[in-house]
Amino acid sequence: GAVVSQHPSWVICKSGTSVKIECRSLDFQATTMFWYRQFPKQSLMLMATSNEGSKATYEQGVEKDKFLINHASLTLSTLTVTSAHPEDSSFYICSASSSPGESDEQYFGPGTRLTVT
Amino acid sequence: GEDVEQSLFLSVREGDSSVINCTYTDSSSTYLYWYKQEPGAGLQLLTYIFSNMDMKQDQRLTVLLNKKDKHLSLRIADTQTGDSAIYFCAEDSGNTGKLIFGQGTTLQVKP
Repeated sequence: GAVVSQHPSWVICKSGTSVKIECRSLDFQATTMFWYRQFPKQSLMLMATSNEGSKATYEQGVEKDKFLINHASLTLSTLTVTSAHPEDSSFYICSASSSPGESDEQYFGPGTRLTVT
Repeated sequence: GEDVEQSLFLSVREGDSSVINCTYTDSSSTYLYWYKQEPGAGLQLLTYIFSNMDMKQDQRLTVLLNKKDKHLSLRIADTQTGDSAIYFCAEDSGNTGKLIFGQGTTLQVKP
C-alpha cells in the first residue's frame, strides 16, 4: 500500500529556534498534503492544506508566518515551525493524497513529536 | 461549524464485541472514516463508508451509518488485545479531502 514517511520522528529544540519537518510520499505522487496537529489525548486538528506548486491554505487560527509550509514536489511537503515556543510542543502528523475527496486515498505519516524547551 | 463527537473510553474483554459510536453534524459529508492510532504512531485507515450506504462489513469490522440521526458506529467482532488503541471517526468536509476528526475513543481490551 501507499506509504508516507515523516522526518524526523521526534525532535527537541530550544525556544526561539526553527524546526523543519518533512513529509514524503514514498510510492505515489501526492497532489495534496495535509498537516495536522495533535495534543496529548486529543484529536487531530487540521492546520493547513498544501497543494504541489501553490501556496498552502491555512485553517482559521493557524498563523501562516509561524508554520511555513512548502510543497515543492509531488512527493515532498515541509512544515517549518519558526521561532518555536514551548506551546508549539505537539505531535505533528501529515497525510498525503493523490485524489483528495475520494474514498480511501489519504495516507497518514507516522507523526513527528516536537518538544520545545 | 462541523463537529464530530465520540465517547472517550471503552473497555471490553477479549473475545467480546466492541461498539464505538460517533455523531457528526455535517450532512454534506460524502465519506465517513474510521482510523486506528496506536501509541506514538500515526493513523491507520481501518474502513470507510460512503454516505449513501447504511452498512459496510469488512472482516471483523462492521460500520453502521444512520444518516438521519448523523450517527456512525464501528463494531469490532471477537475483539483481541491487539485491537487496543485509540479509534477516531472522521468526516470529510465538502468532499475536499479535509477531514474533521472526533476526539478519539480509547479501546482497552482486557485478557
